[in-house]
Amino acid sequence: LAKTTQPISMDSYEGQEVNITCSHNNIATNDYITWYQQFPSQGPRFIIQGYKTKVTNEVASLFIPADRKSSTLSLPRVSLSDTAVYYCLVGVGDNFNKFYFGSGTKLNVKP
Amino acid sequence: GAGVSQSPSNKVTEKGKDVELRCDPISGHTALYWYRQRLGQGLEFLIYFQGNSAPDKSGLPSDRFSAERTGESVSTLTIQRTQQEDSAVYLCASSWGGLARGNEQFFGPGTRLTVL
Repeated sequence: LAKTTQPISMDSYEGQEVNITCSHNNIATNDYITWYQQFPSQGPRFIIQGYKTKVTNEVASLFIPADRKSSTLSLPRVSLSDTAVYYCLVGVGDNFNKFYFGSGTKLNVKP
Repeated sequence: GAGVSQSPSNKVTEKGKDVELRCDPISGHTALYWYRQRLGQGLEFLIYFQGNSAPDKSGLPSDRFSAERTGESVSTLTIQRTQQEDSAVYLCASSWGGLARGNEQFFGPGTRLTVL
């Protein structure tokens, strides 16, 4: 049973803003929401993490509504090098012992 | 400093053989995670260690899979009597604490396992 849901793929052009949304209806009270980026043949790399409202760092912003049942990763001005798979991760389970990545969103940035 | 390392980077084995995959986490990281990623698919959570203990092993795909961690450091994932469906990249990650505390996971490069 999938715990998170993301679009399978998205296309964009260089310089555009990209927003990727993840649904996580079963998120627990103490869970954080974390987004990772994965390039082919590499392990995932941390992008951003948040608990509620909005978080911003040097590469992305994360928007989390009050009910926390979804989150949106925003990449401000994408470049070709942002072509990758993006995963959202939430801790699931009463004892926080299981972690589910979303199916991932394949972002294809075109010139 | 050194990141998470995994060995071997590639492993080709015959169906029915046992394999052992190793993960060396970042020094001082108390939490360690194993994931499986089949070709073109997302990450499948296998098991999580806090220190040397794995509170929940139900994520392991079958009883042919086992994992241990010693000295709050190195971890090994063992697959007995390998099957072709075990072919995948096995990723290890570590973090300062458990995910419930909002800690970032640092991933290793993975071990690509091919079962012939």
